[in-house]
Amino acid sequence: QSALTQPASVSGSPGQSITISCTGTSSDVGAYNYVSWYQQHPGKAPKLIIYDVSDRPSGVSSRFSGSKSGSTASLTISGLQAEDEADYYCSSFTSSTTVAVFGGGTKLTVL
Amino acid sequence: QVQLVESGGGVVQPGGSLRLSCAASGFTLGRYGMHWVRQAPGKGLEWVATITYDGSNKYYADSVRGRLTISRDNSKNTLYLQMNSLRAEDTAMYYCAKGKWELIPSFAVSDYWGQGTLVTVSS
Repeated sequence: QSALTQPASVSGSPGQSITISCTGTSSDVGAYNYVSWYQQHPGKAPKLIIYDVSDRPSGVSSRFSGSKSGSTASLTISGLQAEDEADYYCSSFTSSTTVAVFGGGTKLTVL
Repeated sequence: QVQLVESGGGVVQPGGSLRLSCAASGFTLGRYGMHWVRQAPGKGLEWVATITYDGSNKYYADSVRGRLTISRDNSKNTLYLQMNSLRAEDTAMYYCAKGKWELIPSFAVSDYWGQGTLVTVSS
């Protein structure tokens, strides 16, 4: 069982916006602003799209944005495009001995 | 440009050992923490281990502690994962990943990933 909880799937039509949630605890998401989001296309390595809750790496589209409220972080993708169809994973630093945890992943389908 | 190339995967029997390598180029390995992350077939990502830039601190997932060992040789620009007492549940694609921040821990932030090496534990 993953330490962070994500919905298994979300879907949206081109041009729409979707939000993926990532729920943790007071030991990880709720305690630190060290939440990252990764995009993974089938057969490919993950790609960092958001770090430190809401920062975007250079080259990542501004259509991707992140936020956090309490122990739940969120990834919002606006203006959905076909190429956004992928799996999305959140990750957080944790104060436990394991130091890092991932969510179980969310499959985004662009209808 | 940053490149991470994993090698050393393969088929191994339960209880066996493997050593994975990750050759780094395009950046100064010795200034960044590094991670191993795995993904079982059809499953999600699982953080495995992290090593600080100088190798002085290592961190492990509970599921691998005591069996897998992360190490690095900055002079050879290479990260390693020694895998002992392997179990069927260790079957996965193993990715090495670069920490984003120079000289400070980047536990949950990996800005570059390799393409992975597949480890299959089966009799």
